[in-house]
Amino acid sequence: KAGVTQTPRYLIKTRGQQVTLSCSPISGHRSVSWYQQTPGQGLQFLFEYFSETQRNKGNFPGRFSGRQFSNSRSEMNVSTLELGDSALYLCASSLGRANEAFFGQGTRLTVV
Amino acid sequence: QQPVQSPQAVILREGEDAVINCSSSKALYSVHWYRQKHGEAPVFLMILLKGGEQKGHEKISASFNEKKQQSSLYLTASQLSYSGTYFCGTESGGGYQKVTFGTGTKLQVIP
Repeated sequence: KAGVTQTPRYLIKTRGQQVTLSCSPISGHRSVSWYQQTPGQGLQFLFEYFSETQRNKGNFPGRFSGRQFSNSRSEMNVSTLELGDSALYLCASSLGRANEAFFGQGTRLTVV
Repeated sequence: QQPVQSPQAVILREGEDAVINCSSSKALYSVHWYRQKHGEAPVFLMILLKGGEQKGHEKISASFNEKKQQSSLYLTASQLSYSGTYFCGTESGGGYQKVTFGTGTKLQVIP
């Protein structure tokens, strides 16, 4: 079966701009989680969506938001980009709690 | 809070064994283990759900001590392919999926 697809793979944005990242989960998976990965910080949880509802949110400012569509595809938006937002953004899909999460290849965001 | 992993990094020669530990300050519902190779996405290794549960995956196994809120990953007779960064992820109560990952343990296996 097809894996988790994230687009785009790479992005370069200017400070102050906004960006939207996309994640298509594995067919049948209704849970989509987003993570920010930076060197030394590991995987930082952003939020989790299940059936179009945000069920969990990490400790990130309100500039980070997301949504999930009826087909389980999810988008993440970051507004007013800061240099510190440069990171690899990973999404993971699963069947739900206590199930294996399948990660996409990530979107590498660079803010200049 | 992030679970704490130790050691942060380890270098092994092929055939040697290693243990990676993961501890949490919160009561745990489950522990996940993933491995990430450089430039790739994290890949699932195993989930442990019950206190005292142990699982195996080839020559990689893990245990979960629910009372101590700790888990350990055991790599035996290491191979070059085991190199990568290992992450433990923990889920606490609440009914919804929120996997909080540790900062990772970088493991390098050399010939």
